[in-house]
Amino acid sequence: GAVVSQHPSRVICKSGTSVKIECRSLDFQATTMFWYRQFPKQSLMLMATSNEGSKATYEQGVEKDKFLINHASLTLSTLTVTSAHPEDSSFYICSARDDGLALEQFFGPGTRLTVL
Amino acid sequence: GQNIDQPTEMTATEGAIVQINCTYQTSGFNGLFWYQQHAGEAPTFLSYNVLDGLEEKGRFSSFLSRSKGYSYLLLKELQMKDSASYLCAVRSYFSGGYNKLIFGAGTRLAVHP
Repeated sequence: GAVVSQHPSRVICKSGTSVKIECRSLDFQATTMFWYRQFPKQSLMLMATSNEGSKATYEQGVEKDKFLINHASLTLSTLTVTSAHPEDSSFYICSARDDGLALEQFFGPGTRLTVL
Repeated sequence: GQNIDQPTEMTATEGAIVQINCTYQTSGFNGLFWYQQHAGEAPTFLSYNVLDGLEEKGRFSSFLSRSKGYSYLLLKELQMKDSASYLCAVRSYFSGGYNKLIFGAGTRLAVHP
């Protein structure tokens, strides 16, 4: 089956630093990837839609200058949390839509970010 | 706008049947998904409905009524490992030619012996 990987799985950083999270589709091409954030005991909130070769589309209330998204290839999207603060601590999950399966969407294992 | 409602918590007994309901309001409806999520893990796909009716897959079944904006997930022969959060997610089509998957708050199911 289709596999999506995320790296790192867990990261702890100091306040003010930047953190990059990678999302890769391992056995399929994904023109479109999605970034979600999930706070404890809450559901997944869509942050942005990442499109290969073009600018990401951000959801209302998500700061595009703080959450930088780059989708440079059909198998890789990155999310960079710039100048991270403790309130950015969360579970970040990406998903990738398989170009060959017309709307099938697969989730990565998530990245737990803790900002001290 | 979009709105997805599901119960916050449910409890059930091992071996029993439980039904988790989901109601939604959306424009550009393009399918409804159910996911299972264990604490600290990513969601895993359970089912997909785009037409009215019941989809059965082993111990799990999902039902959709588009006219009522209603779906349910039915879990049979409950096992302890079924204790998890169950997420109802609606895919909607937006102008510009793309779809987005929006999640409900999730239902935490606790299965007791």
